[in-house]
Amino acid sequence: DAMVIQNPRYQVTQFGKPVTLSCSQTLNHNVMYWYQQKSSQAPKLLFHYYDKDFNNEADTPDNFQSRRPNTSFCFLDIRSPGLGDAAMYLCATSRDGRYEQYFGPGTRLTVT
Amino acid sequence: RKEVEQDPGPFNVPEGATVAFNCTYSNSASQSFFWYRQDCRKEPKLLMSVYSSGNEDGRFTAQLNRASQYISLLIRDSKLSDSATYLCVVTGGRTSGTYKYIFGTGTRLKVLA
Repeated sequence: DAMVIQNPRYQVTQFGKPVTLSCSQTLNHNVMYWYQQKSSQAPKLLFHYYDKDFNNEADTPDNFQSRRPNTSFCFLDIRSPGLGDAAMYLCATSRDGRYEQYFGPGTRLTVT
Repeated sequence: RKEVEQDPGPFNVPEGATVAFNCTYSNSASQSFFWYRQDCRKEPKLLMSVYSSGNEDGRFTAQLNRASQYISLLIRDSKLSDSATYLCVVTGGRTSGTYKYIFGTGTRLKVLA
């Protein structure tokens, strides 16, 4: 029973070509998160939605944007991917932002 | 000082061994504590939440020491399938209605046949 789904699982894009990653959830959690994880590093929070309220981390580049059209879906837009943006992008959800987080399988982004 | 610190390992242990990991955190106001397991190139998966009184789930035991600000994970009778990176996660300060989840960099465990 998939709970947090991410598409695509693998994405190859060219330097500077916009890309959109998607996340959906069946848990009805009100908080959704986007993380970036590079090899041998901890996941790094990019931003999160608490219901419809968008919360950006101070060090998240402007190149990264997000949309949450409804409770179930959330998108990560990378407007002009650079080589340094190659990473695993993880979507997570939690109930009220205080309980355990559930992660999707991630999208592995390659930038050529 | 990092907000959440873990020994990166790797811990190489034989099958059947008992192994323990510690994780220290700096924010005394932290509310919630978790252990996640992450396999190579996969997403983190919740292993267990950590409760004040300590809790056990099969071969896994988690404990919280608020006075010393650390949590621990004990794995008994290690299996080959326990080989993974174990992430300590602590909730930090509250922002915009939600708590921030602070991740440690993980401890690598290799269980050897």
